[in-house]
Amino acid sequence: GAVVSQHPSRVICKSGTSVKIECRSLDFQATTMFWYRQFPKQSLMLMATSNEGSKATYEQGVEKDKFLINHASLTLSTLTVTSAHPEDSSFYICSAATGAKLFFGSGTQLSVL
Amino acid sequence: QQQVKQSPQSLIVQKGGISIINCAYENTAFDYFPWYQQFPGKGPALLIAIRPDVSEKKEGRFTISFNKSAKQFSLHIMDSQPGDSATYFCAVTSSGSARQLTFGSGTQLTVLP
Repeated sequence: GAVVSQHPSRVICKSGTSVKIECRSLDFQATTMFWYRQFPKQSLMLMATSNEGSKATYEQGVEKDKFLINHASLTLSTLTVTSAHPEDSSFYICSAATGAKLFFGSGTQLSVL
Repeated sequence: QQQVKQSPQSLIVQKGGISIINCAYENTAFDYFPWYQQFPGKGPALLIAIRPDVSEKKEGRFTISFNKSAKQFSLHIMDSQPGDSATYFCAVTSSGSARQLTFGSGTQLTVLP
């Protein structure tokens, strides 16, 4: 099946620093990718829809200046958490669609100290 | 407003038993109903999906039952195994949304050996 690669799998950073998470579709092109956030024992919450070559569409309540999304190519989308704070600690997951199916990356556990 | 309601929140089944997880939705525009399996620290993996033009779909030990009039769909895991222990999420989307999924709240399944 299609593979979505997400990197890094785990990152620990100090408060105030920025963290970049990469999401790549390895064997297909994705004009649209999605970024989700998941807290422990909770469901996935859509943060934003990343569109290749255009601005991302953010869900209500998600700060676009804090969570910067860049979809520079058909196989790569990045999420940058700027000036991270402890409350940003969470599991971030990307996904990409090919045909009728949506495939997910393996997730990034962000811990902000 | 919760677009998809999932139950139960947790489920414990003996090995060899049948696990049943239910979801209900409101919006009749939804036309794709996938189920995802998620292990701790990993991204969700597509398990099985159904479209509203069929009432049942079976893949190995996994079956989706779909009731369009009741706006409900369920996942049945036959001959449940300890390796099936994971969190299961139902999801809904419409073809016009570029596969932007809305997830249920999740069911923590534990299969006892």
